[in-house]
Amino acid sequence: DGGITQSPKYLFRKEGQNVTLSCEQNLNHDAMYWYRQDPGQGLRLIYYSQIVNDFQKGDIAEGYSVSREKKESFPLTVTSAQKNPTAFYLCASRREEKLFFGSGTQLSVL
Amino acid sequence: SQQGEEDPQALSIQEGENATMNCSYKTSINNLQWYRQNSGRGLVHLILIRSNEREKHSGRLRVTLDTSKKSSSLLITASRAADTASYFCATDAGYGNKLVFGAGTILRVKS
Repeated sequence: DGGITQSPKYLFRKEGQNVTLSCEQNLNHDAMYWYRQDPGQGLRLIYYSQIVNDFQKGDIAEGYSVSREKKESFPLTVTSAQKNPTAFYLCASRREEKLFFGSGTQLSVL
Repeated sequence: SQQGEEDPQALSIQEGENATMNCSYKTSINNLQWYRQNSGRGLVHLILIRSNEREKHSGRLRVTLDTSKKSSSLLITASRAADTASYFCATDAGYGNKLVFGAGTILRVKS
C-alpha cells in the first residue's frame, strides 16, 4: 500500500524537551511538507522540502527543525524553543499540484 | 499567511440536501484546490480547478472559480451522512510549490 505514514499518533512533551515526529512515504514523491493545525484553524506551513538534502522555512518555522537525508523520510523536531507546541501535525508529499497527507500526530504538553 | 477564507464556518443540513461552501482569496493564483478532513485524520484531495477554468465537476462535487472576484464555491449535491467532515480550500500561487489553506467549513449532514 502506498502512502504517507506518520508516527506516533499521539505524543506528549515535557517542558524543556525536544521531540521528533516521524514522516515516511513510499510514493516516490520529491516534495514533502509539514503543517501545523490548531483547533478551528486552517493549516499553517512549518517547513517544506522539494528535494533530498534541501529544505525551506514556511510561515511558522521558529521552534522547529527538520532534516531530509532520504527521499522517503522527513522528520520534524519540535524543540524546547517552541513555547506552544500543542497542536495536530500533518505531513504531506506532493505529486504535480496535489498534496497527499498522512493521518497526523497529536502533540500535547504534559 | 492565510490566503483562503471559507464561508460559512459551519453548516448543518439534512441528508439529501445540497451543501454549498465558499472560499475567497487575496492574490493571483495558478489553481485552487478543495480538500476534505474527517475528524482527527489527514486531509484528502477532492478536486482542483485551474485559473483558466470556470467550472469543474467530479461525481457529486461541483466547483466554480471566479478569478475577477477571487472566489470559489464547492457544491456537494444529494449529501449523505458520510459527507460529514471539514472542507478546506487551498490556493497555489506558484511560489515554491506551496499551498496556502483557509480555516475550513465544518459540514454536518444529519440522517
